[in-house]
Amino acid sequence: NAGVTQTPKFQVLKTGQSMTLQCAQDMNHEYMSWYRQDPGMGLRLIHYSVGAGITDQGEVPNGYNVSRSTTEDFPLRLLSAAPSQTSVYFCASSYSKGRGNIQYFGAGTRLSVL
Amino acid sequence: AQSVTQLGSHVSVSEGALVLLRCNYSSSVPPYLFWYVQYPNQGLQLLLKYTTGATLVKGINGFEAEFKKSETSFHLTKPSAHMSDAAEYFCAVSDRGYSGNTPLVFGKGTRLSVIA
Repeated sequence: NAGVTQTPKFQVLKTGQSMTLQCAQDMNHEYMSWYRQDPGMGLRLIHYSVGAGITDQGEVPNGYNVSRSTTEDFPLRLLSAAPSQTSVYFCASSYSKGRGNIQYFGAGTRLSVL
Repeated sequence: AQSVTQLGSHVSVSEGALVLLRCNYSSSVPPYLFWYVQYPNQGLQLLLKYTTGATLVKGINGFEAEFKKSETSFHLTKPSAHMSDAAEYFCAVSDRGYSGNTPLVFGKGTRLSVIA
């Protein structure tokens, strides 16, 4: 049971480049979300999804795009990377109702935008 | 809107001393409350959670936390610090989600250092 898997672990981009951060879970969780972690800021919600075909914005959605075509996968797209998007990105998943809303996190993707 | 305030961005304790990490929350509905731990260069691991029932909850590695509704607090404690407890700790809150779970709102984190 792999849990939540994020790829890549590290990435360096140049300003203006695009890329997709991958997130996959094998726990049949309906709920998936993306956070970014910056020093002194804690984790801030970027986008989340309560099921396939349904997504919504979080606290800091600008510059990011998501879609959810399957229950297992929830990729995060940076359309035109900016230095302000240098951060550590975490994907999380949980059941959509009940179970105490326990969220399981991936190991993170460390992104640097030059 | 929900919010979490963690008092102290950095706490330093001696090995064997009491660990106390403070968390206050704001929520318009009965909350779920969580403490997560992050070791260097790793993801977040659930330490403990409060959902309902007993207000004193026990977690992994000897940590516990008490939900105090009147004080809107959920402080994390451990009687005796160990070197391996050095990490960053995050308090988080979410709604009870009667119509479905809601996103977690995190505090800014407290870095715990343990001095030998």
